[in-house]
Amino acid sequence: ETGVTQTPRHLVMGMTNKKSLKCEQHLGHNAMYWYKQSAKKPLELMFVYSLEERVENNSVPSRFSPECPNSSHLFLHLHTLQPEDSALYLCASSHYRDRGSETQYFGPGTRLLVL
Amino acid sequence: AQSVAQPEDQVNVAEGNPLTVKCTYSVSGNPYLFWYVQYPNRGLQFLLKYITGDNLVKGSYGFEAEFNKSQTSFHLKKPSALVSDSALYFCAVRDYSGAGSYQLTFGKGTKLSVIP
Repeated sequence: ETGVTQTPRHLVMGMTNKKSLKCEQHLGHNAMYWYKQSAKKPLELMFVYSLEERVENNSVPSRFSPECPNSSHLFLHLHTLQPEDSALYLCASSHYRDRGSETQYFGPGTRLLVL
Repeated sequence: AQSVAQPEDQVNVAEGNPLTVKCTYSVSGNPYLFWYVQYPNRGLQFLLKYITGDNLVKGSYGFEAEFNKSQTSFHLKKPSALVSDSALYFCAVRDYSGAGSYQLTFGKGTKLSVIP
């Protein structure tokens, strides 16, 4: 799992807090992803960045704000979250090729609890 | 639209016995199929994928999967289960119809328990 790292691993925040999740990949990839994993629900793709441009945004509330300053780093800025946003947030990366066969590699995730 | 179904929430198997974790999919074009495993408090780890070619795909840790186009299935298999295989397994599909979408659709996951 050292290929994709995420910090912090655990985060507890109040509904009025602002926090950021960080993801870093060391695999030479140029596409990065944010997923949300909630209990008993399939993984939900939130955002995709390819070559540092956002290419997909799956109707995610504006209280989640992604940032991709370069191909190795991805952030998810959080503000005024709701308790239902508590989940495991997973970052992934892959090569960018317009074929669809690329494997995504995941980080260990950030376990978020919103009180 | 693409979708994937894992019909079993949980699979129990005795150590040393063969295991199968089922996955069926629905796509309009050609499917790219993936299996991932997730251990407690960890991210997803890639096991194997089917892109094209041989229907039997071999992956990490002795796992393999068989692509069956007529049954739209991609079941994960292992000849002899280990206790350490106990984890959550996810099947995923991407429908490559040329649109260039990055959307990888995951199943809900199957919890595999290998009993000593």
